[in-house]
Amino acid sequence: GENVEQHPSTLSVQEGDSAVIKCTYSDSASNYFPWYKQELGKGPQLIIDIRSNVGEKKDQRIAVTLNKTAKHFSLHITETQPEDSAVYFCAASIGGYQKVTFGIGTKLQVIP
Amino acid sequence: SQTIHQWPATLVQPVGSPLSLECTVEGTSNPNLYWYRQAAGRGLQLLFYSVGIGQISSEVPQNLSASRPQDRQFILSSKKLLLSDSGFYLCAWSVGGGNQPQHFGDGTRLSIL
Repeated sequence: GENVEQHPSTLSVQEGDSAVIKCTYSDSASNYFPWYKQELGKGPQLIIDIRSNVGEKKDQRIAVTLNKTAKHFSLHITETQPEDSAVYFCAASIGGYQKVTFGIGTKLQVIP
Repeated sequence: SQTIHQWPATLVQPVGSPLSLECTVEGTSNPNLYWYRQAAGRGLQLLFYSVGIGQISSEVPQNLSASRPQDRQFILSSKKLLLSDSGFYLCAWSVGGGNQPQHFGDGTRLSIL
């Protein structure tokens, strides 16, 4: 089955700096890659997603890049703010009933 | 707009007691429904999914079961809880057969004593 590896597991950045989280997947048939943000005591919230026919997608301070050949994708957060502090999960899906395989998460701390 | 509700938010149960967690979705019809468990410091493990009323698929063998008595209602149950059932349980929904995002509820924190 699909295996998604995510790193780093923890990341501390100064407010205003950029943060990058990287993920790799194993199944070349995966074609959908969502990213979720989970705040303490809450469920994960979708923040951005990318499909395999696109190499990059941007939404304000958040961007995701996908390299299908290397089977890796990354989340980029620019101009980080304290409210960006949370756990971020990457995921990969082959589709169908949408079984999604998640990474183990990255705890991001933005230091004011 | 669509909303998802899970309850209770927290639950403390003794070993060997039964369990019933409920999840309901509003604002959409015939959603795909999912139950996940999230262990501390780990990713999300899919437990069950359902594509329609009465249709349940189990991803991992375990002490839990799921049911979908109504289109937008998904229930996670156990007859006798084990210590290893402790965790954070999340319900999610999605629509469509293609690659569409899953949307999560705020979860139930289950502690077994």
